[in-house]
Amino acid sequence: NAGVTQTPKFQVLKTGQSMTLQCAQDMNHEYMSWYRQDPGMGLRLIHYSVGAGITDQGEVPNGYNVSRSTTEDFPLRLLSAAPSQTSVYFCASREGRNYGYTFGSGTRLTVV
Amino acid sequence: SQELEQSPQSLIVQEGKNLTINCTSSKTLYGLYWYKQKYGEGLIFLMMLQKGGEEKSHEKITAKLDEKKQQSSLHITASQPSHAGIYLCGAVGGSNYKLTFGKGTLLTVNP
Repeated sequence: NAGVTQTPKFQVLKTGQSMTLQCAQDMNHEYMSWYRQDPGMGLRLIHYSVGAGITDQGEVPNGYNVSRSTTEDFPLRLLSAAPSQTSVYFCASREGRNYGYTFGSGTRLTVV
Repeated sequence: SQELEQSPQSLIVQEGKNLTINCTSSKTLYGLYWYKQKYGEGLIFLMMLQKGGEEKSHEKITAKLDEKKQQSSLHITASQPSHAGIYLCGAVGGSNYKLTFGKGTLLTVNP
């Protein structure tokens, strides 16, 4: 089991560029989420999914899109990167409501 | 939305000392999660509490959820340098599946 795999680990973007952060899990988990972590702000939920084809917004969804075409993958798209999106992004998955989330190792994104 | 307040924000202890971290919710907790994070790394799941009065232990770490299900505490006995890191509480409220977090407690253990 690889768990939750995030790629890339590091990325530098220019303002206005778009990119996709990849997240894949091999545990057949239904629930997946994206968080961003910023100093002093803690972890904030961006988008989440309760199964293939179902997504919903978290606390800070603006500027991000997600899709869930398969159980395994939950990519996060930055449409037009802004310096305010400089952050560490974490993807997480869990089997069901009575289980803890398993987190990926994160993607450190810098927008210049 | 569910807001979680963690205290203290940071804590420095001498190796071998006991310590407690608190997590207080503005709403009833339907699932309370404790995670540990080493600087620059992902989160490691420690424990999940769901029932009022529930208590769980793993090695030297004990977590409790109060009867009213609005406050949880994490207690570390005989702390070691390996316990150092950021401790985060997370919670699911009501019937939704959103897991939201407190801002974390930074623990330093001096040898």
